[in-house]
Order: sequence, then C-alpha cells, then structure tokens
Amino acid sequence: KAGVTQTPRYLIKTRGQQVTLSCSPISGHRSVSWYQQTPGQGLQFLFEYFSETQRNKGNFPGRFSGRQFSNSRSEMNVSTLELGDSALYLCASSFTKRGPDTEAFFGQGTRLTVV
Amino acid sequence: QKEVEQNSGPLSVPEGAIASLNCTYSDRGSQSFFWYRQYSGKSPELIMFIYSNGDKEDGRFTAQLNKASQYVSLLIRDSQPSDSATYLCAGPPGGNNRKLIWGLGTSLAVNP
Repeated sequence: KAGVTQTPRYLIKTRGQQVTLSCSPISGHRSVSWYQQTPGQGLQFLFEYFSETQRNKGNFPGRFSGRQFSNSRSEMNVSTLELGDSALYLCASSFTKRGPDTEAFFGQGTRLTVV
Repeated sequence: QKEVEQNSGPLSVPEGAIASLNCTYSDRGSQSFFWYRQYSGKSPELIMFIYSNGDKEDGRFTAQLNKASQYVSLLIRDSQPSDSATYLCAGPPGGNNRKLIWGLGTSLAVNP
C-alpha cells in the first residue's frame, strides 16, 4: 500500500513569488492535513480537508490556502512568499472513522526555501 | 489556548537504559494521545497511541496515560542508538474536533 506522497521534495523560491505543493494521501484516506514545521515553532497546523471541504484551519494568514480534489489529493498554495515561510511543509492523511481520534500518517514533506 | 507541552531536552541516556519522555496537556477533554518519532530530516512516524488510563505496551515501548493528572509518557526500554530522534506528543482537543495539537518534541540521544 503506497504511503503519503508529497511533491516536490525541495523548492527554492524568491520573495514575492507563489508556490503550490501537492499531497496524495494513502488510498482510502479522506482526510488531509497540512503542517508547517520549523526548528523554533515545531509542527504548526495549517488546515485540514475532508471530502473536498476545509474542516479545520490554523492561525496562518490568508496567503496560505489549500484545496482538496474529489480523489482526496490536496494542494496548498502560498502567495507572496516571505523569508519566514521557509520551512518543511508536511502533509498527513487519516482514515476518518466515527469518533474524534484518528492517527495521522505523514508524507516525506516539501522543504521550501525562500531567498 | 489548548496546549501540549514537552520538555525539549536534549535527553541523553546510555545504551541499554530506560528513556522516559513526558508530555502534559491542558485540555481535560482530550481522550487520546499519539507518540511520534522524527529522525533528523525525516517526517514524523507514528509509534503508539493510547486512549485509556494506564499503560499500553508495544515491544520496547510503553505509553502511560494519566487523565487525572493530565500527563502522558513514553518509556523506551533497552534504548538503542537507533532510538536517537525527536519524540513528538500529540493529542486532539475534546469533542469531535480532529485537529491534533502537537508538543514541540523532546530530543533523545542514546549514547553507545
């Protein structure tokens, strides 16, 4: 069974540009969450999508957006990049069942560097 | 603000010893917790999850949950150098909100 796939693995962008990251969840998983990870802040939740709808959102500016397609694949977009957006962006998929608690399986991440 | 807190470490133990990692949480409604391991430059991987008060054992790993005291711990017996990593604790808020809240992680170094 294939795991969570994120593309690209590495990106270098300049300030002001925009970037789109992609995540394909584990087959059968309908929930996709996005996280930003930096050494000082740890894992910061960006948003979660379930069945093409944003179900939860973290405390990030509107420059960060996402969407989910009918096949559960998800993309996140960051516009007007800033130096502080340099981070590891992780996608996690979950098989959501009844009940509030579901473990997440992570992709390998996209390392974004803004110069 | 609902939080999950961990001692950042680094925690250093000799090979073969027991490593004890702790996590406290603020939301009494949290029903379950997850322990993830993250090697440097890699993504987090799930080690264990625990729903009930008490201990849950899986090989060399034991998770302990104490809801009254609002802490969860992970014990690693017979620590190996390959256990050297950052360990992340995560728990959801109470209710049906599935958004995991993460601690910043504890760095563990197992010395040969």
